[in-house]
Amino acid sequence: GAVVSQHPSWVICKSGTSVKIECRSLDFQATTMFWYRQFPKQSLMLMATSNEGSKATYEQGVEKDKFLINHASLTLSTLTVTSAHPEDSSFYICSALTMVNTEAFFGQGTRLTVV
Amino acid sequence: EDQVTQSPEALRLQEGESSSLNCSYTVSGLRGLFWYRQDPGKGPEFLFTLYSAGEEKEKERLKATLTKKESFLHITAPKPEDSATYLCAVWQEGGKLIFGQGTELSVKP
Repeated sequence: GAVVSQHPSWVICKSGTSVKIECRSLDFQATTMFWYRQFPKQSLMLMATSNEGSKATYEQGVEKDKFLINHASLTLSTLTVTSAHPEDSSFYICSALTMVNTEAFFGQGTRLTVV
Repeated sequence: EDQVTQSPEALRLQEGESSSLNCSYTVSGLRGLFWYRQDPGKGPEFLFTLYSAGEEKEKERLKATLTKKESFLHITAPKPEDSATYLCAVWQEGGKLIFGQGTELSVKP
């Protein structure tokens, strides 16, 4: 299957700082990428849809000013958690949709801990 | 409201004891249904995509089937390494995936 690389795998940051998470499709182009958040023992909740060259579409209840998404190229989307607080601590996962067929592949996730 | 429900929430099996996981859905504009496996601390690993009722796909000990209202993931003679959380997701227009809450499978030797 296609490969989606997410970096970093884990990050610890101080409250009030910003953290950037990268999501890359390594062997295919993705016009659309998605960002999910997952709490322990819970399923994935879609945060936003990232479209190459245009603004991201955020799900209801997700603060667009706190979770900045940029999809600068067909292989890279970034999620920046701004002014992070402990309640932002979570597992963040990106996925990319292949253009050729209807399959969605996921990155390995980023464990964010805000202290 | 679009909804995906998986059952059971947790399933404990003995090695070799076959069983099925269920994913029922009520979604408008379904374009496909995905099954994933997720190990602790990792992102979901793609297993199958099903597109239409009656479709079946197999991979090793796993077989996925789809009807108009639900999908089943059959696990034949499971092994301890099959222990994981299995997620199903329905694919809507625009590529959005709506996930069920997952079934945590534990296979004991």
